[in-house]
Amino acid sequence: QKEVEQDPGPLSVPEGAIVSLNCTYSNSAFQYFMWYRQYSRKGPELLMYTYSSGNKEDGRFTAQVDKSSKYISLFIRDSQPSDSATYLCATKGSNYQLIWGAGTKLIIKP
Amino acid sequence: EAGVTQSPTHLIKTRGQQATLRCSPISGHTSVYWYQQALGLGLQFLLWYDEGEERNRGNFPPRFSGRQFPNYSSELNVNALELEDSALYLCASSVRDRGGADTQYFGPGTRLTVL
Repeated sequence: QKEVEQDPGPLSVPEGAIVSLNCTYSNSAFQYFMWYRQYSRKGPELLMYTYSSGNKEDGRFTAQVDKSSKYISLFIRDSQPSDSATYLCATKGSNYQLIWGAGTKLIIKP
Repeated sequence: EAGVTQSPTHLIKTRGQQATLRCSPISGHTSVYWYQQALGLGLQFLLWYDEGEERNRGNFPPRFSGRQFPNYSSELNVNALELEDSALYLCASSVRDRGGADTQYFGPGTRLTVL
């Protein structure tokens, strides 16, 4: 079992829809969780990071961590075609390494 | 503030050759990470340097090596190139914040093609 699982998609939604991207993780000791966005042939860019449980909001983006079910989510409201990218979740392991999900390819249809 | 920079943008080599990739971290960042991202695949951790020392390496053969210089910039060397080394090589830098997180910021990558 991978330490961080993420459905690679693709996930295709119409413009304006609410998008839900999800990851599950295996180790209850993980505390820091990040979401990165990667456009084609570019480096990943940090979107948000959260510590422990709860929600964090930044504009149209909300990151949510549910430690009881080992589930992390990223919600995108009022999705735009420019949001089309691959979204990667990551968590910090015990040796300070980031442990990455495989990434979910998101397509927003105009 | 300038972000992480990498050079070259693209690199084309033939099998058996050596490739050298370079990375300059964000000013003030002391840690540099290297990742390999083959087409359609996730990020595979290669190497981590901090304060000039190699702190950890991923599951890659010894022909992948590197170093970090006193100014915290870093170099990744790949010897005896193989076709499957063709990938986007990403560098990230980080500094630990007060909360203990180690948020990584990525450069644009070097696309290595091995013919």
